[in-house]
Amino acid sequence: TQLLEQSPQFLSIQEGENLTVYCNSSSVFSSLQWYRQEPGEGPVLLVTVVTGGEVKKLKRLTFQFGDARKDSSLHITAAQPGDTGLYLCADVSSGSARQLTFGSGTQLTVLP
Amino acid sequence: NAGVTQTPKFRVLKTGQSMTLLCAQDMNHEYMYWYRQDPGMGLRLIHYSVGEGTTAKGEVPDGYNVSRLKKQNFLLGLESAAPSQTSVYFCASSYSEQTLLLINQPQHFGDGTRLSIL
Repeated sequence: TQLLEQSPQFLSIQEGENLTVYCNSSSVFSSLQWYRQEPGEGPVLLVTVVTGGEVKKLKRLTFQFGDARKDSSLHITAAQPGDTGLYLCADVSSGSARQLTFGSGTQLTVLP
Repeated sequence: NAGVTQTPKFRVLKTGQSMTLLCAQDMNHEYMYWYRQDPGMGLRLIHYSVGEGTTAKGEVPDGYNVSRLKKQNFLLGLESAAPSQTSVYFCASSYSEQTLLLINQPQHFGDGTRLSIL
């Protein structure tokens, strides 16, 4: 059974600071998705990474996929209060239904 | 644009009672999923469906049953609720890869059903 570990579990920073959160797997990812979840809502997809070493940018968010496809990181530059939320990484199964296996998430709070 | 709609949003049950959670999507998605989310444990897959009339077990299926009689609806049933089933339940849907000829389709989530079992 694949285990996804996310760190840190909680992170509280001031507006304008930079931060990095991590997602590590006990086995190779088929492909990896990052989601953000806000209170009272379901997760929303941010990005999908597939190729080892891949880097994707989404405005102030930078996603990296490890060369060996066993780890990933999310870096946020100049964090804003609107970035507050639960950041979840998920392994996308190679099975027909593309089931997701989620990590436990990093709860980010950006203080104004 | 309703997307994925879950009903009810909140519910309190007593141990041993039964209930059904309804998920409806208006995006003509083939795949549908039920997850539960517990503090510190992320989301765990309960059951899923790749099409009308088909269902399959996920990571934590015990104590739950599902049905997909119509493409747009996916029902999650608890026959005899237990306190361990207190959780937030999320439904999600996605296109199949064959529909858009694109791998790694995003899953679209509802806003959840908060279920407490006393």
